[in-house]
Amino acid sequence: DAGVIQSPRHEVTEMGQEVTLRCKPISGHNSLFWYRQTMMRGLELLIYFNNNVPIDDSGMPEDRFSAKMPNASFSTLKIQPSEPRDSAVYFCASSTPPGYEQYFGPGTRLTVT
Amino acid sequence: GNSVTQMEGPVTLSEEAFLTINCTYTATGYPSLFWYVQYPGEGLQLLLKATKADDKGSNKGFEATYRKETTSFHLEKGSVQVSDSAVYFCALTPINQAGTALIFGKGTTLSVSS
Repeated sequence: DAGVIQSPRHEVTEMGQEVTLRCKPISGHNSLFWYRQTMMRGLELLIYFNNNVPIDDSGMPEDRFSAKMPNASFSTLKIQPSEPRDSAVYFCASSTPPGYEQYFGPGTRLTVT
Repeated sequence: GNSVTQMEGPVTLSEEAFLTINCTYTATGYPSLFWYVQYPGEGLQLLLKATKADDKGSNKGFEATYRKETTSFHLEKGSVQVSDSAVYFCALTPINQAGTALIFGKGTTLSVSS
């Protein structure tokens, strides 16, 4: 069974450019989570969805960040415009009852120069 | 509110040493508890879990027991290997709340030398 799929695995872009990160959750999972990991701030929850509906986006740093989940098998995290401080590893995770444990993707390493 | 506190790292051990990584939590009700492991350059992987008091989660030689009276979920392994070098995260989720985000500790880096 395929795990959580993220693309791209690495992204290098220049400041001011738009960046789109993609995630395919595990089939049948109804919750999806976006995290950001940096050395300074550790693992931060950005936003999560239940049944494609955003539940909590209080972790989204600012209006430059947006996330969508148009259907149960796909989600995007967009940064526009990107800034060097957005450089981090972005993880997507999915889960489903009854265990609620989350399964993480391999991450997208974003570098903004 | 809900929170997780882990011991500060890094933890540095020799191969075959005994490992303990402390984790305590604050939560309303009875949360489910988890340990995740992150190997260099990879995403987090579920290592073990426990869903009620006195449950013991175990996997790959690692164990942790859900202690309600001390609100703890310490991770232990009797004999570590170099391949166990990774970052370990303790986490909780409030029980009976479907799709609730996990609350993670800050992570503890383990380095095992041969």
